[in-house]
Parts: sequence; structure tokens; C-alpha cells
Amino acid sequence: GAGVSQSPSNKVTEKGKDVELRCDPISGHTALYWYRQSLGQGLEFLIYFQGNSAPDKSGLPSDRFSAERTGGSVSTLTIQRTQQEDSAVYLCASSVATGANQPQHFGDGTRLSIL
Amino acid sequence: DQQVKQNSPSLSVQEGRISILNCDYTNSMFDYFLWYKKYPAEGPTFLISISSIKDKNEDGRFTVFLNKSAKHLSLHIVPSQPGDSAVYFCAAQLGTSGSRLTFGEGTQLTVNP
Repeated sequence: GAGVSQSPSNKVTEKGKDVELRCDPISGHTALYWYRQSLGQGLEFLIYFQGNSAPDKSGLPSDRFSAERTGGSVSTLTIQRTQQEDSAVYLCASSVATGANQPQHFGDGTRLSIL
Repeated sequence: DQQVKQNSPSLSVQEGRISILNCDYTNSMFDYFLWYKKYPAEGPTFLISISSIKDKNEDGRFTVFLNKSAKHLSLHIVPSQPGDSAVYFCAAQLGTSGSRLTFGEGTQLTVNP
């Protein structure tokens, strides 16, 4: 498809397990972002990748969170030893480049529930 | 530290009338503002944006107004349609921060037929 694709769409797991969330950005988009939306909240920035530059990880809430972007395309967000407060919708976005006036295009998200 | 705030969690208007969604921010260094629309179980969709050097941007039924002195922006939808019913997020960008977006909490707009 032409849009940002995320998988799985839903994930339920037990506290303490590791989870991996996947994002396929729009082809040709060099910038990729991860956000999360907790219940009743706005979107919270987590991390972004731009081309081959070092990622900006300043939004990651703890060292249990990490992300990779392989080959400048697909990205994986990994949460280790999940906690109940990690329950949220995790959204990925991509844009042609970074900079103002470059709208970010979002996927439909992964709804993560930690039991 | 909530730098972007949408103080109205919900708004209900009649079809054909104007919808006005409001957003306040605290960081005077933001140089770009965007509005996104979100339907349930879907990702946010970009709607309209405005540079901090402008005070108005219009696109069809959607107009965004920026008042820098008041650190306030608003989205006007005229005329409102039932299909506009969604959650609207205000977002802001710093030119130096790699284009990360700082979002407000969102406003649920309901347009009644």
C-alpha cells in the first residue's frame, strides 16, 4: 500500500515480556518517527530517525525502550520487560524529510495492552 | 510540562454551522503549527498547518488562525459536516528539534445532522 504500515495492529502480552512493534514507512520517506498515545492523552514523541544520522532518542521513557531502523526503511520498536504503564497505542509516522512544512504521515498504530 | 494545550475535551455543533477548535502553547520558540484529525482506530491525518510568521492559512472549509502575542491558535471549520466528527489534535514544531511534533490532548468534535 501507499501509506505507513504498522504491525501487529493489536498486541496483548503479560507484564515482564518483551514486545516488538514494526513500522513500514512510505517508500522514499527519509524521516521516521515513533509516538505513543496513552488513554486520554495526546501523542507523546519517542524517537526519530533521519537518513543515516544518529537517531534522536530523547523521548524514550526508559532504557527498556529501544528502536532500530534497518536499511533506512523498516523500523522496529522494542520494549523489554513490559510494565502495565506501557499500555498505549504506538504510532509510527514518516515524512519526506525533516524540517518545517513536512507533514508527517501516520500509520494506524499498534494497540499494546499489558496484563 | 504541557507545552501545547487543548482545554476543551469535546465540542458539539450543528451541521452547517462553524466549528472553532482552540489551542494554546507556552513555548514562544515554536515556529510551525499543525492540525491533525483522527478517527477511531486510525492514525492521525494531517489537515492544515501554519508558519509562525503568518497569522492565517486557509484551505477550503478549514482555516487556521495564529495569534503569537497570545500564544493561541484556532481551527475554524465552515460549514461543519457530520463527516468532520473526529478528534482534532493541535501540534507544534521547533525548527531545531528535527521536526518532532509536540501534541495537545485533542478535542472530540461531534457534528450533529
